[in-house]
Formats: sequence, structure tokens, C-alpha cells
Amino acid sequence: KQEVTQIPAALSVPEGENLVLNCSFTDSAIYNLQWFRQDPGKGLTSLLLIQSSQREQTSGRLNASLDKSSGRSTLYIAASQPGDSATYLCAGRPFFSGGYNKLIFGAGTRLAVHP
Amino acid sequence: DAGITQSPRHKVTETGTPVTLRCHQTENHRYMYWYRQDPGHGLRLIHYSYGVKDTDKGEVSDGYSVSRSKTEDFLLTLESATSSQTSVYFCAISEVGDTDTQYFGPGTRLTVL
Repeated sequence: KQEVTQIPAALSVPEGENLVLNCSFTDSAIYNLQWFRQDPGKGLTSLLLIQSSQREQTSGRLNASLDKSSGRSTLYIAASQPGDSATYLCAGRPFFSGGYNKLIFGAGTRLAVHP
Repeated sequence: DAGITQSPRHKVTETGTPVTLRCHQTENHRYMYWYRQDPGHGLRLIHYSYGVKDTDKGEVSDGYSVSRSKTEDFLLTLESATSSQTSVYFCAISEVGDTDTQYFGPGTRLTVL
């Protein structure tokens, strides 16, 4: 059974710092891995999706990498800003998930960027 | 933003009462999902639908039922609410394809007293 773990559960950093959020999964047979952002009281917004054949994806100050062999993904945020404060969740889609887009979520990392 | 709305956004109810949550989409996506989010657990799939009248169970389906009579609407029903069903419920939609992304609604906060 696929399990997804995110460490740390919470992180507080000063503005401008580069930071890395970690996601680990127990089964390397994943179809893709996604990173989401969740603001308090809101739904999830997709940030980056990495297909199993890819090693990384970039969007602006965000870079996500995927290493299937070690069962790890990282989300790198460059030059953090207070507006980056949110909870970040990763989710893996198991390779054998049937005909639908099944996602297994981690519990998230709550990020606070202070001025 | 994807056109997904959930209603109600907040609800307080008593143990033993039936509750129905509604998810409405304007994207004409085939797949719809209901998740619950609890502290320390991330999001867990309750039920999903792969077409009109086509639904299946997720990992935490006990005590919940769903219906999808139209492409745009997916209803989640708690037949007899319990305190353990106090949670935030999210609806999501997707099309299985190149993007494979799920789009989420704003959520419904349900409190069962």
C-alpha cells in the first residue's frame, strides 16, 4: 500500500531564504507526483506535476524533483516571500490505480515565511 | 480557477441527522471525487465518480454514499452523521490525460455535535 510522508510537518523561515520541502513515498511504482498549495480555509491549488519519466519540473521560483529509485520528491522554493506562507502537500498517483486519477496524499508541510 | 463550487460552505448538525453536500462543476470533466481532510491525515478519498451514475468507493467510504445524476453535480450523503465525520470535505474534478491534474473546490466545513 502506497504511503506518502512529508517532513517537516511545519517550517518557519525568514524572508529571502531558499528552502526545501521533502516528500517520500513507499512504493516507487508511481505514475506521477504532484505538489499542491493550500491556503488557510481554501482548497488545493496544483503547483507542479512530475511524470514518472521526468526528473524535475520548474515554475517560476519553484522547482520540484522526483527520484523514484529512492522514493523521494523535493520542492525547492527560491528566495522565499511572506506570500509563500501556506501548507504544501504532495500526492502520488500509483501506477496501478485503475481508470481514474487516484492520488495518495501526504499530510503536508505548513510553511511560514516571516518578514 | 476551475469552475467548482461546493455547498454549503459551513454546516453544523447533530449526531444522527442526514446531511447532503453538493459539488457542482462547470468544466464538463468526467471524473469527480470527494475527499475529507483531517489534521495529521492529509486528504483521504471517500468516493469517486467516473461518469453519470458511475461511482465507486475510496479508502474511507463507510458511512457515506454518493450520487451523480448529471455530469455537473456530485452529491455526498451522510445517512446518519456521527461526530467522527466532523471534517473538512473537498470535491475535486479531473480528466485523465496529459495534465492529470485534479482541481479542487473550496471545501465544506462540517461539524457534527
